[in-house]
Amino acid sequence: EIVLTQSPGTLSLSPGERATLSCRASQSVRSSYLAWYQQKSGQAPRLLIYGAASRATGIPDRFSGSGSGTDFTLTISRLEPEDFAVYYCQQYGNSRWTFGQGTKVEIK
Amino acid sequence: EVQLVETGGGLIQPGGSLRLSCAASGFLVTSNYMSWVRQAPGKGLAFISVIYNDGNTQYADSVKGRFTISRDNSKNTVFLQMKSLRAEDTAIYYCARENIPGLGMDVWGQGTTVTVSS
Repeated sequence: EIVLTQSPGTLSLSPGERATLSCRASQSVRSSYLAWYQQKSGQAPRLLIYGAASRATGIPDRFSGSGSGTDFTLTISRLEPEDFAVYYCQQYGNSRWTFGQGTKVEIK
Repeated sequence: EVQLVETGGGLIQPGGSLRLSCAASGFLVTSNYMSWVRQAPGKGLAFISVIYNDGNTQYADSVKGRFTISRDNSKNTVFLQMKSLRAEDTAIYYCARENIPGLGMDVWGQGTTVTVSS
């Protein structure tokens, strides 16, 4: 099973700042099968990025994804108040999905 | 409107059984991969099971042999039958759609809470 490790565990930033979230896989992941989700407190997750770099429908362009192989990044160019949440990466491989443990982006 | 609505959660004793339902609207479950994902209190997301558009299924090791995913095409609904429940199965259970295989779960339900406790 591919293990995804996200860092940092918590990111403390101010609105307007840039957020860079990392997702590292224990073995190579097919880029087309790497996704990112946002989850706000008390809500279901929301798909942000699929295929490592493609924004899902309705996702603002301040969200961007990049990476390949074992290292992937989610970048939020300028944090808006509604962006403070927990973010998860996810990969599909060997007929199953695995999630990272999440990165919490909190207001500094 | 594309929507998923989960029902069936509740308080159940260890060793008990429960069946969760996920009713879909605005699309056909038979044309998509449909998954169950759970989230234990204060924890992250964990894949539980998927039923593919061809009817084949997959399970996480933690639930294999205890949980069964199925669907009723006439009701456009996906089910998760859970048996031999344990305290560690306590979680919010989400149903999710994968419209294009491997490219992320693009529609999620609001979740249903399962609490396993005596």
